Amino acid sequence: GESVGLHLPTLSVQEGDNSIINCAYSNSASDYFIWYKQESGKGPQFIIDIRSNMDKRQGQRVTVLLNKTVKHLSLQIAATQPGDSAVYFCAVYSGAGSYQLTFGKGTKLSVIP
Amino acid sequence: EAGVTQFPSHSVIEKGQTVTLRCDPISGHDNLYWYRRVMGKEIKFLLHFVKESKQDESGMPNNRFLAERTGGTYSTLKVQPAELEDSGVYFCASSYTLNTEAFFGQGTRLTVV
Repeated sequence: GESVGLHLPTLSVQEGDNSIINCAYSNSASDYFIWYKQESGKGPQFIIDIRSNMDKRQGQRVTVLLNKTVKHLSLQIAATQPGDSAVYFCAVYSGAGSYQLTFGKGTKLSVIP
Repeated sequence: EAGVTQFPSHSVIEKGQTVTLRCDPISGHDNLYWYRRVMGKEIKFLLHFVKESKQDESGMPNNRFLAERTGGTYSTLKVQPAELEDSGVYFCASSYTLNTEAFFGQGTRLTVV
């Protein structure tokens, strides 16, 4: 089965700096990857996704990078703002007919004003 | 457009009692998923409905958990009888098609005492 790791429990960044959150997955057949943001008392909120036929995708202030060779995924947040403070999860679809997401443990991002 | 809604937001019950959680997916989403996060652990998949059919229930922990989706609209997850280890946050998610972004509800925090 799939496992998702490289868990850095907490990350503190200065407001205005860039943040990088990393994730590793185990199954080379995994074909779809999602980053979620979870604020206190809320459910996971979709941020950005990427499929295995791409290695980079950009959104508004966020970029996801996928390195299939080493099975590594990262989320970059540009010009981090206080509103970015939350727990960030990577989630992976394993493919091969499985439509369940496997989540990492999450990284709590704290933005220092 | 309303997102995924879950009810109740919190539930505190005694060990041995029954609790029923409800999820209303985004209108038109055939795919409905249940996940849960127990204390200190990752968000884990429980099961997946396509319309009213159970597509994958490999994550259901035991036969004390029963999920239904009669009519293919809202879903319920019943825990009977509840045990202490069932405490956690139960999330529901829905997606329009398979292998696309899943949108999560705010979760139901279940506490079994």
